[in-house]
Amino acid sequence: GALVYQYPRRTICKSGTSMRMECQAVGFQATSVAWYRQSPQKTFELIALSTVNSAIKYEQNFTQEKFPISHPNLSFSSMTVLNAYLEDRGLYLCGARDRGNTGQLYFGEGSKLTVL
Amino acid sequence: QQQVRQSPQSLTVWEGETAILNCSYEDSTFNYFPWYQQFPGEGPALLISIRSVSDKKEDGRFTIFFNKREKKLSLHITDSQPGDSATYFCAASSDTNTGKLTFGDGTVLTVKP
Repeated sequence: GALVYQYPRRTICKSGTSMRMECQAVGFQATSVAWYRQSPQKTFELIALSTVNSAIKYEQNFTQEKFPISHPNLSFSSMTVLNAYLEDRGLYLCGARDRGNTGQLYFGEGSKLTVL
Repeated sequence: QQQVRQSPQSLTVWEGETAILNCSYEDSTFNYFPWYQQFPGEGPALLISIRSVSDKKEDGRFTIFFNKREKKLSLHITDSQPGDSATYFCAASSDTNTGKLTFGDGTVLTVKP
């Protein structure tokens, strides 16, 4: 079945430092990856959409300068939260779209960021 | 204006009962509606989904009823089990090629034994 692994599962970092998180699709080819942040109140925000061989599209309020993303192949994507502050805390979710199952988006377990 | 709304915010049912979770949307271009189940400390897991060309989708104890005219859908969980206790998110998309989803705020379901 389609599986998405994310690591690290959780990170505690000091204000102003950075955190890199990785996303691995297993068992399917992820033609596009969507990075979301789920707030402590459980609401979802789309950060950016990344499609292999296409430009990464960031949503309003999120920038490449703050959340640089790499999506080099159909099974791997990474995102970094640069200069993390309190408002950046939350559960960062990688959603990978299965090319063989149109529209289905599978999420990993998330990378939880706590900022001190 | 919130594009996807869910109700109730929380729901408690007894084991064996049918839980009904509601969802409505604003954008008429939405044509794909997945439901995700999320347990504490975990990521959301795709539970069941429906496309706007259908009015019903069934998978075991989980059924989606879809009303395009009223822009409403509901998730029915029959024979609810304590293990179904989780937060359920309704999501919507008008572009199935990218994975861009708009989520509701979720319904917290508690199934009492």
